[in-house]
Amino acid sequence: DTAVSQTPKYLVTQMGNDKSIKCEQNLGHDTMYWYKQDSKKFLKIMFSYNNKELIINETVPNRFSPKSPDKAHLNLHINSLELGDSAVYFCASRTRQGETEAFFGQGTRLTVV
Amino acid sequence: ILNVEQSPQSLHVQEGDSTNFTCSFPSSNFYALHWYRWETAKSPEALFVMTLNGDEKKKGRISATLNTKEGYSYLYIKGSQPEDSATYLCAFQGGSEKLVFGKGTKLTVNP
Repeated sequence: DTAVSQTPKYLVTQMGNDKSIKCEQNLGHDTMYWYKQDSKKFLKIMFSYNNKELIINETVPNRFSPKSPDKAHLNLHINSLELGDSAVYFCASRTRQGETEAFFGQGTRLTVV
Repeated sequence: ILNVEQSPQSLHVQEGDSTNFTCSFPSSNFYALHWYRWETAKSPEALFVMTLNGDEKKKGRISATLNTKEGYSYLYIKGSQPEDSATYLCAFQGGSEKLVFGKGTKLTVNP
């Protein structure tokens, strides 16, 4: 059973389109994250949700909008895609309380052409 | 801006060598320090989460130490094997839920 699953794994789309990446975790975790892996393989935090509530919003363009319908899901919607949005996006989750590790999804490679 | 620095950026060792790398982080507003192992084409997987100053954790040939007062952690690998080749990430967890990652140390173990 996959603990944190992202769909799709690969996404190729044209500039200007709107697309979504879905993330689901079956671990019962309270907190979910979106990270962007840049061209230098650096994992940069974008958003964090706790029990459907946005708690971290880094300086990410307004074209990126996270949505959490319930605490097991955190989807990432991107409007008006740009070439610079091409990257691998990772979803992660963890339990809020205590010293607990994050569990990552397998990543979604987004290519904007 | 919260800086989490890792050094070296990359490292090549021979099979059987022992090695170590460093993670430095802010000493204020500290809650936990995480270490992850990230193999190519896979997702990061947790190795350790440490919270107490002086903490030392071990998993097989890999161990880690933590100094929260001076803001650094070391990861040690004893008797490196080719399967240890990966990028090792540390992440600083402050008072919020934010997990801020360093840029990683890429380890290559040559047979």
